[in-house]
Amino acid sequence: GAVVSQHPSWVICKSGTSVKIECRSLDFQATTMFWYRQFPKQSLMLMATSNEGSKATYEQGVEKDKFLINHASLTLSTLTVTSAHPEDSSFYICSARVGMRTVLSHGYTFGSGTRLTVV
Amino acid sequence: GQQVMQIPQYQHVQEGEDFTTYCNSSTTLSNIQWYKQRPGGHPVFLIQLVKSGEVKKQKRLTFQFGEAKKNSSLHITATQTTDVGTYFCAGSIMIYNQGGKLIFGQGTELSVKP
Repeated sequence: GAVVSQHPSWVICKSGTSVKIECRSLDFQATTMFWYRQFPKQSLMLMATSNEGSKATYEQGVEKDKFLINHASLTLSTLTVTSAHPEDSSFYICSARVGMRTVLSHGYTFGSGTRLTVV
Repeated sequence: GQQVMQIPQYQHVQEGEDFTTYCNSSTTLSNIQWYKQRPGGHPVFLIQLVKSGEVKKQKRLTFQFGEAKKNSSLHITATQTTDVGTYFCAGSIMIYNQGGKLIFGQGTELSVKP
């Protein structure tokens, strides 16, 4: 089935530094990647949608200059948290869709998530 | 904006009891998906419902999609300790020229007492 590899699985960084999170689709081409953030005991909040070769579409309230998304190829999307602060500490998860339609038998494939702690 | 409301937030049951979680969307959905997330893990896809009034079963799990494609439910019969986790519904909303995006409900955390 479709697999999305996400790393790092966890990262601790100092306040003010930047952190890059990568998501790779291993056995399919992901034309669209979604980035979510999840705080403890809360739901997944969609941050942005990235389409290969074009600018990401950010959800309302998400700072595009702080959360830089790059989807340069059909198998790789990256999220960079710039000038991270403790309030950015969260669980970040990517998910991928094959083509323009959902893979009906597999839904959206999620990466394993990255737990970011900013100290 | 688009919202998907899910209740209850928590459900504690005795092993063997049934469990149901409900989702309601503010807008008509193109489809609805259900995911299960174990503590510390990532969401794992369970099923997708597409047709109005659709009902699907997976062993002890029964999924329903409302006639208006705005609400859905997941029912687990005779819960087991392995059912523990948070169940999320996620509504797919079609955006012109972008395909669909998933809006997640708040999730229902299920705990099962042996």
